Formats: sequence, C-alpha cells, structure tokens
Amino acid sequence: QKEVEQNSGPLSVPEGAIASLNCTYSDRGSQSFFWYRQYSGKSPELIMFIYSNGDKEDGRFTAQLNKASQYVSLLIRDSQPSDSATYLCAVNESGGAQKLVFGQGTRLTINP
Amino acid sequence: DTEVTQTPKHLVMGMTNKKSLKCEQHMGHRAMYWYKQKAKKPPELMFVYSYEKLSINESVPSRFSPECPNSSLLNLHLHALQPEDSALYLCASSQDPDRGRSGNQPQHFGDGTRLSIL
Repeated sequence: QKEVEQNSGPLSVPEGAIASLNCTYSDRGSQSFFWYRQYSGKSPELIMFIYSNGDKEDGRFTAQLNKASQYVSLLIRDSQPSDSATYLCAVNESGGAQKLVFGQGTRLTINP
Repeated sequence: DTEVTQTPKHLVMGMTNKKSLKCEQHMGHRAMYWYKQKAKKPPELMFVYSYEKLSINESVPSRFSPECPNSSLLNLHLHALQPEDSALYLCASSQDPDRGRSGNQPQHFGDGTRLSIL
C-alpha cells in the first residue's frame, strides 16, 4: 500500500511567522511531488510542485525535497491569515500510471 | 475561477434520476481525471483518461459512467446513485502524459460539482 503521511493538525502559526508543513511518502519510485491548498468548500489549488532534490522557491513558498529520506516539505514565509487552509501533499505513484497518492492534509491556521 | 470548467456547480438528484456532470478544459491537456471528495478527506481518484482513452478505473461502481467525447471534454454520467455518493466531484487535467519525463505533470482541478443524493 503506497502511503503519504501528513500531520493532520491543526497547525497554528502567528501572522508573519514561517509555517512549515511536512510530508513523508512510502513509494521510493515516486518522481513528482505536489502541494495543493484547499480552502473550506473549495477545490484544491496547485501551489507548488518539485521533481528534484533540494529547494524550489516561488514567492513566499518554498518546497523542499529529500528523496533519500522520502520527505517533502512546504515552507510559507511571512504567513498571512489568507494562508489559512488545508494543505494537501500529493505524490505520483511509480509504475507509469497517471496516479497521485494524496496525504490526509494538514489544516493550517494563521492567527492575526 | 480555474481553467478547468465544471458544470453544474451544484446538483440535487433522487436515487432514480439520471444526470451528467460535465468538465471542459482548453489548455491542450491530454490527461483528464475524475475524483470524488468527501468532507475532511483528500480527493479519491475514480477515472483517468489519457489521449481520450480510459486508462484507469479505480473499481468504481457501474452507476458512474465516464465518457470522453474529445480531448477537451469529460463527462460523468450518473444513474441510480445512493445517498453515500453525495460528495464533491472534481475534474482535473494535466499535460501530455508521455512528455519525456518520468512521473506526472501537475494536475489542475476545476471548482467541482457538489452532488447531493436524496
């Protein structure tokens, strides 16, 4: 069973601080890693994807990947109340199929 | 608003009704997906179409019937649904599945159809 694990939270972070979201995965053959943000009652919105070990930055967001440790994380700098949402980690299933395995999601709350 | 358009946004139907969900994208994507999402759970994959051919059916009951008329459109036909089928149904699309990279291209989701079965 291929699994993606996330801490379900809630994770509370003060406004302006760095929010750190973590994800581990079991499929060593996975090549593609995605972070989605989902507001309550809305659909998932892609915010970052990463394929190579190391860091990838986009504005206030940084994705970090360590394939040896099977670990991917998302950092949100200068957190804003509008960042309050559930963050879903998704990892491709190896073997060539177009399948993503989602974690359960981490609920993030930014406190003003 | 997203570049993947789903209609209707809300649907209420009885267990004996037949209805269809529609999804459209004009990004030139060649893979399209149907997901089901229950409250406080991640999306669950139902079907994948790659180059207009069904490539994955995640053992979905036959009361759900997908159709891909062309590379831009994806339908989900519903018949004789059960109350437990009430959920948010999400369509997603991604670029050329065979574009020179192992792994997956990012999937982009539509706003979803919120389905209630009476």
